[in-house]
Amino acid sequence: TQLLEQSPQFLSIQEGENLTVYCNSSSVFSSLQWYRQEPGEGPVLLVTVVTGGEVKKLKRLTFQFGDARKDSSLHITAAQPGDTGLYLCAGVRGAQKLVFGQGTRLTINP
Amino acid sequence: DARVTQTPRHKVTEMGQEVTMRCQPILGHNTVFWYRQTMMQGLELLAYFRNRAPLDDSGMPKDRFSAEMPDATLATLKIQPSEPRDSAVYFCASGFGAQGANQPQHFGDGTRLSIL
Repeated sequence: TQLLEQSPQFLSIQEGENLTVYCNSSSVFSSLQWYRQEPGEGPVLLVTVVTGGEVKKLKRLTFQFGDARKDSSLHITAAQPGDTGLYLCAGVRGAQKLVFGQGTRLTINP
Repeated sequence: DARVTQTPRHKVTEMGQEVTMRCQPILGHNTVFWYRQTMMQGLELLAYFRNRAPLDDSGMPKDRFSAEMPDATLATLKIQPSEPRDSAVYFCASGFGAQGANQPQHFGDGTRLSIL
């Protein structure tokens, strides 16, 4: 059983469209991180959200942590081909292990 | 930019052979993590160290896997004997802080391991 469920697992859209990726759990996390991974490379941290209800923006990317700290979303506005990659959410419980979701593989078509 | 360095980048070997993967964390980082990534299981934490001491290796099969930090600039992950089911990409990550996994982790580019 996956502790963190990401949806959708695969998403292919046209350049310029908007999209939202979800990361859900029945468990409470002390914080949640979002990473992007490109082929042949390791994941790269995009953002960490800590407070329930927190919203962080990184250019065209908007990250939100659920009020109950059990879920998170990533919204991309006007997607570009450079946004293509595997997006991973990872939750931290207390100060222990970082638990990763399965990831959302995003493809932005020119 | 400082980076986590992993060697080798690729390894192909026959089952039963010993495999050693190495990681050089970012200078000054005091926490090192080992992960395994497969299509089926995604990214799984195997073990992590802080200040060279092992803190959690519950994700690692103890009978064949071992992780060590001989010094602050080198972490190793060994598999002996290797099995085909160990085929995966193994990532090392490092970070700094006293908050366990609740800190930004910087990943290397991984070792792609294939056991025939």
